Formats: sequence, C-alpha cells, structure tokens
Amino acid sequence: DVKVTQSSRYLVKRTGEKVFLECVQDMDHENMFWYRQDPGLGLRLIYFSYDVKMKEKGDIPEGYSVSREKKERFSLILESASTNQTSMYLCASSLPASGDTGELFFGEGSRLTVL
Amino acid sequence: AQSVSQHNHHVILSEAASLELGCNYSYGGTVNLFWYVQYPGQHLQLLLKYFSGDPLVKGIKGFEAEFIKSKFSFNLRKPSVQWSDTAEYFCAVIAFYKLSFGAGTTVTVRA
Repeated sequence: DVKVTQSSRYLVKRTGEKVFLECVQDMDHENMFWYRQDPGLGLRLIYFSYDVKMKEKGDIPEGYSVSREKKERFSLILESASTNQTSMYLCASSLPASGDTGELFFGEGSRLTVL
Repeated sequence: AQSVSQHNHHVILSEAASLELGCNYSYGGTVNLFWYVQYPGQHLQLLLKYFSGDPLVKGIKGFEAEFIKSKFSFNLRKPSVQWSDTAEYFCAVIAFYKLSFGAGTTVTVRA
C-alpha cells in the first residue's frame, strides 16, 4: 500500500512564525501535492511538484513556498504564518503515468492553528 | 481555469434510502473524473474513477457514478445507503497534473 506520511497531525503556531510541514511518500511517486481543506471550500491546490527540485503554483500559492530536494519528500513552508492560514493541510502523491491520469494518495493531514 | 461544482452542501437521509450527489465541471477538454470520500477522522480515499470507456463506473462499497459528457456531469449514486456511509464526498477533475476538487458534500445517514 502507498503510504503518505505527514510529520505533524496538529500544530499550533503564533502569527509571524515560520512553519514547516513535511510530507514523505514511500512509493517512488514523481508527483506530489499540497492542498488545504476548509469547510465549504473543499480542497484547494497550493503547490505541486512533478519532479525533484521542480515546483508549480497551484490555485492559492500566496503566502506559501515549497521545497522538493528529494523525490520522496515535499515540504510546505509558511514564511510568516497568519491567522487566515489556519486550516487542514493535505499532502498527496501520484504516479506520473500519462501525467494527468494518476490517482492521488493522501496523507492524514496536518491541522494548523495560527494564533 | 477548470472548476468543479457540487450541488449539495449537506444531505441527510435515512438508512436504505437512495443517494445521488451531483457534480458538474467546467473544463472542456479530455478529463479524468474521480469521487473521493473522507470518513470521519480518516484520510481521503478514492471511491471510484473514470478515465475512458463505459460511462457508468462502479466503485467500492456499492457506489457508482455516471459520466455524461454532454452535461459535463459525473453524478454519484448508491441505491441503498448505510449508516457507515456517513462521510464527506468530493468530486474531482484532473487535467494537466492538476486535480481540482469540488467544495464537498457532507452526507449524514440516520439509523
């Protein structure tokens, strides 16, 4: 089974702090994604990466950055956390296959609260 | 930009009732379509998917979905729900690496 592991299930941070969310997948997937999940808004794509050191902006990249130094690891960085970044963050991975046909496998999520 | 619309925010029904959740997307090209489910306290998991071929797709736990290209729709159905089907359901469309999700529908099944 594919396993996508997010390092922290729950975090509480203060406004202005730098926040790192880590995600590791064990199935050698090329594609990795970061979403945030908010009630009534569904999942919104923040960033994705289709290869090591490659990254692409999703629909809501403002206030976030990412890092993909190794194939299995995809990190989401909040340079200066703000209260409107309080959310559930979901990491996912997929095979490239034909690129856009891949099923996504999700981690269990990281619930971030910014005070 | 593609978008995905789910018609119902919250659906409440009794066990053994039939369920249909609507999903429409706006992307005009070739799409791959998914329904994901998130049970309380669990991670998102795939319910079913459509890539090509028979537009009626069967998934896990008795769910099925029908792709109607002319209506840009991919509605999810289950003839008889169970209490364990209580969950949040997300429709999703993928094109060019990006998977776009609908806002989700919370389904509450009363025993």
